[in-house]
Order: sequence, then C-alpha cells, then structure tokens
Amino acid sequence: NAGVTQTPKFQVLKTGQSMTLQCAQDMNHEYMSWYRQDPGMGLRLIHYSVGAGITDQGEVPNGYNVSRSTTEDFPLRLLSAAPSQTSVYFCATEGAFYEQYFGPGTRLTVT
Amino acid sequence: RKEVEQDPGPFNVPEGATVAFNCTYSNSASQSFFWYRQDCRKEPKLLMSVYSSGNEDGRFTAQLNRASQYISLLIRDSKLSDSATYLCAVTPRGAQKLVFGQGTRLTINP
Repeated sequence: NAGVTQTPKFQVLKTGQSMTLQCAQDMNHEYMSWYRQDPGMGLRLIHYSVGAGITDQGEVPNGYNVSRSTTEDFPLRLLSAAPSQTSVYFCATEGAFYEQYFGPGTRLTVT
Repeated sequence: RKEVEQDPGPFNVPEGATVAFNCTYSNSASQSFFWYRQDCRKEPKLLMSVYSSGNEDGRFTAQLNRASQYISLLIRDSKLSDSATYLCAVTPRGAQKLVFGQGTRLTINP
C-alpha cells in the first residue's frame, strides 16, 4: 500500500518548457488536490478534483492544467514554465473526515 | 485578512518545556480543523484533528474556540523530536477545499 506517490522527486526546467508532474494513489480516495509550497506562503491550492472527470480551480491555478481520467491518477501540467513556478509541489488525497494525505513532493526549479 | 493565520515563529524552547501555538481563521462557519506536522524537506503529515470539545493525544492537546475563531495546539514535555513546522488547516463551510496557515516553526533545544 504505497499511499500517494509523486514523480519526479526533482526537476529542473528552462523557462518556456512544459512538463507533467505525476501523482498516483492507491487509497481509493475520490478527492485529490495539488498544492504548491513556497517559503513564507504556506501551502496554496492549485487545482483539485472531487472524482474522475471533475476538476476545479484552487487559489493559484494560472499556468497549470489538470485532468482526472481515473480515480488513481491526477497529473499536473505546466504549460510554459516560468521562474515564478519554482516551488515544491505536493499532491494530496482526502480521507473520509477531510484529512489530507500528502505525497512526498516534487521540487521544481525553473531557470 | 488571510483566511487562516499563524505566527510563523520561530519558537525556540528548551527540552521539557510546554509550548502552545494558536491559529486564527476568518470564516466563522468553518467546520473542520486540523494540525499537521512537517519535517524539513518532507511532506506534511496529519498530527491531529481538532474537535469541538477539544482532544488530546499523548503530550499533544488541541482546542477549538469558535467564539474567538481560533484553534490551538499545546505540546507538553517537549522532546527534541518535536522540532518541526506545525501547520493548521481549516475547511470553510461549503467549500471543497482545505485552507492552510503558513506554518509555525518550532525548535526544541537540548
């Protein structure tokens, strides 16, 4: 039972490149979300999904796309990377009592 | 005003001390409350949920004060291993999302 997994762990991109951050869960949770964490800013919600086929925007969605074709997977796409997207990205699922289970994170640097 | 606010610290306390953090929230109809612990360069992990009547888990006690709109975390007999960042999180009523505070950094000194 792996819980929530994320790949890659680290990534360096050049400005303008695109990439997809992968997130997978084996907890059979319907709700999944993506956060970014920056120093002094706490965790900010990028996008979330309440189930397969349903996604919605969080607090800071610009520059990111998501899709949810299966319960297990919730990839986050950076369309055209910018230095402002340098951050640590966490994927999370939500349990029955609204508690969040986080993946180990992806550290992204955009140069 | 931010939806959820915490004193970022850092708090530096000696081992064995009691330390308390508060976290204020702006939406009076918020319905779920949590404390998370985050170690350096790791993901946040659920420390405890916060119930209306207050709850305790070993050396940790969480309280909710709806009238003043804050939650608190008390750590008794602090250990070196308690050094971490503590994040509070709140679910505003009707919202399908959890809002986090910016975290309070705690260092326990020997």
